[in-house]
Amino acid sequence: TQLLEQSPQFLSIQEGENLTVYCNSSSVFSSLQWYRQEPGEGPVLLVTVVTGGEVKKLKRLTFQFGDARKDSSLHITAAQPGDTGLYLCAGLISNSGYALNFGKGTSLLVTP
Amino acid sequence: DAGVIQSPRHEVTEMGQEVTLRCKLISGHNSLFWYRQTMMRGLELLIYFNNNVPIDDSGMPEDRFSAKMPNASFSTLKIQPSEPRDSAVYFCASSLRGVLGYTFGSGTRLTVV
Repeated sequence: TQLLEQSPQFLSIQEGENLTVYCNSSSVFSSLQWYRQEPGEGPVLLVTVVTGGEVKKLKRLTFQFGDARKDSSLHITAAQPGDTGLYLCAGLISNSGYALNFGKGTSLLVTP
Repeated sequence: DAGVIQSPRHEVTEMGQEVTLRCKLISGHNSLFWYRQTMMRGLELLIYFNNNVPIDDSGMPEDRFSAKMPNASFSTLKIQPSEPRDSAVYFCASSLRGVLGYTFGSGTRLTVV
């Protein structure tokens, strides 16, 4: 059973379009992180959100943590081919140590 | 800093052989995590260490898998004997106190034939 469900699983869009990907769970997380992974490489941390309702922006990427700290979303504005990759969310459950639980990811392809 | 370094990058071995994967942590990081990634199951935690001590190994598939951290900067993951279903990409990641985010290595792609 996957603790974190990500949707959609695959997304193919054209350059310039906007998109939102989602990360949902029935568990409460003390913090949630988003990573991007490119082929042949390890995931790279994009952002950490800690407070329910928190919104963080990283250039064209906007991350939101749900009020109840059970879900999160990633919105990309005016997507570019360089945004192509696997987007992974990962949550840390309170009192469970330091190990992150990862979703399976959303595979994004942005074509010129 | 060179980041988390894993070796080898690729390993092809025959069923029944012993496989050893290696990981060098970022200097100053005190938590070390081994994950396995497959298309079907995504990233699965195998084991993690904090200050060289194994904290949670419940994700280790079976006794064929073992992990060690002989010092603060180095870890190994051993599979003996290897089986075709062990084929996957194995990642190690390190962090400072875990909550600040992981730094992943580039992974070892293991193929057992």
